[in-house]
Amino acid sequence: SYELTQPLSVSVALGQTARITCGGNNIGSKNVHWYQQKPGQAPVVVIYRDSNRPSGIPERFSGSNSGNTATLTISRAQAGDECDYYCQVWDSSTVLFGGGTKLTVL
Amino acid sequence: EVQLVESGGGLVQPGESLRLSCAASGFTFSSYSMNWVRQAPGKGLEWVSYISSSSSTIYYADSVKGRFTISRDNAKNSLYLQMNSLRDEDTAVYYCASLGYAHPWGQGTLVTVSS
Repeated sequence: SYELTQPLSVSVALGQTARITCGGNNIGSKNVHWYQQKPGQAPVVVIYRDSNRPSGIPERFSGSNSGNTATLTISRAQAGDECDYYCQVWDSSTVLFGGGTKLTVL
Repeated sequence: EVQLVESGGGLVQPGESLRLSCAASGFTFSSYSMNWVRQAPGKGLEWVSYISSSSSTIYYADSVKGRFTISRDNAKNSLYLQMNSLRDEDTAVYYCASLGYAHPWGQGTLVTVSS
């Protein structure tokens, strides 16, 4: 069965660029969606279909997807970006979520 | 404004049933496939079920297959999840979501299965 692999945690200095990866076999052939979840809140779509940003999501958030890795990039990281991030794909009539990455802003 | 509002959660005993609802507004509900996603306390996101826009295609996660039934009423802009034979491990916040679109998720409804 298809699996998505995310790092458990990523740290970034305030104002620097954070990159959160989502690994999967030939994930570049799939549409990848990214969700941000703050404690006690529902997930928020930050990137859909690899690189599309919903209205209201800052331009600091961007996505890319190629080969076996999709990447969520957060530029000029802010304290408010510190939370969990999940990637998601469709595979064989099943929705899959990555295990989630906790982003820490130092 | 796109909005999804879940309801119907609560505390039930193992083996009992519960029906969740999701009221949609602000978009053409009948044009979008919908999903239920759950999150157990302190855990990650777990997909539960999918239904196509016309209800012609339905999928379930193996963990709920045979116990949960997803449905929708496009005339009422509503999504449902009938949950039978509930188990302790079904305890979670349940969200409805379109997935793959720029639509926000609902706030979720908490289902607690405990004796």
